[in-house]
Amino acid sequence: EAQVTQNPRYLITVTGKKLTVTCSQNMNHEYMSWYRQDPGLGLRQIYYSMNVEVTDKGDVPEGYKVSRKEKRNFPLILESPSPNQTSLYFCASKVMTYNSPLHFGNGTRLTVT
Amino acid sequence: GNSVTQMEGPVTLSEEAFLTINCTYTATGYPSLFWYVQYPGEGLQLLLKATKADDKGSNKGFEATYRKETTSFHLEKGSVQVSDSAVYFCALSEVYAGGTSYGKLTFGQGTILTVHP
Repeated sequence: EAQVTQNPRYLITVTGKKLTVTCSQNMNHEYMSWYRQDPGLGLRQIYYSMNVEVTDKGDVPEGYKVSRKEKRNFPLILESPSPNQTSLYFCASKVMTYNSPLHFGNGTRLTVT
Repeated sequence: GNSVTQMEGPVTLSEEAFLTINCTYTATGYPSLFWYVQYPGEGLQLLLKATKADDKGSNKGFEATYRKETTSFHLEKGSVQVSDSAVYFCALSEVYAGGTSYGKLTFGQGTILTVHP
C-alpha cells in the first residue's frame, strides 16, 4: 500500500530534550515536506526537500532541522524543543509535477512541557 | 507572497443540507488549486483539484470551480451527510513559467464542518 508513515503518533517531552520524528514514504517521491498544524493558522511549511541531499527552509524553520540521506526518509529533528513547538506535525510527499497532490502521513502530536 | 483565505468556521449543518465553503486566493503566477479533507485523527487527503481557469474539480459529490476573475475556488455539495464531518482545507500550488513547480502548497486556515443527523 502506498503510504507516508510517521512515528511516533504521540510524543510528550520536556523543554530542551532532543527528539526526532521519523517519516518514510514508499512511493519513490522526489519531494518531501514537513508541516505543522495549529488552530486558526492552517498548515505551515517547516522544511522541504526536492531530492536526496537537497533541503530548504519553509515558512517556519526556526528550531527545526531535517536531513535527506535517502530518498524514502525525511526525519524532523528538534535539537532543543520549546513549548511553542507544541503542535500537530505532518510529513508529506509528492512527485515533482505542478498538479500532483501531496500525500500526507497521519500526523505526530507533540507536546513540550 | 501567495495566500489562501477560507471562510470562518465552524460550519454546522443538518444532513441533506447544501454546503458552500468559500475560498479565495492571492498568487503572482498561475496556481493549481486543491481542496483537502482531514477526518478526525488522520492526515489530509486530496478531495479535488483544478489546474487552470474555469476547470471544475469534483469528487464524492463535492465540486469546486476555478474562477480566475474572482480568484476563488469555493467548495460546494448539494446534500451533505454525517460522514462528511471533517476539516476542509483550500490550498494552492504555484506554477512557474515553463510549467514547473517545486511543489510547495500554501494552505488556508481550514474550516471545520459538522453535520448532524
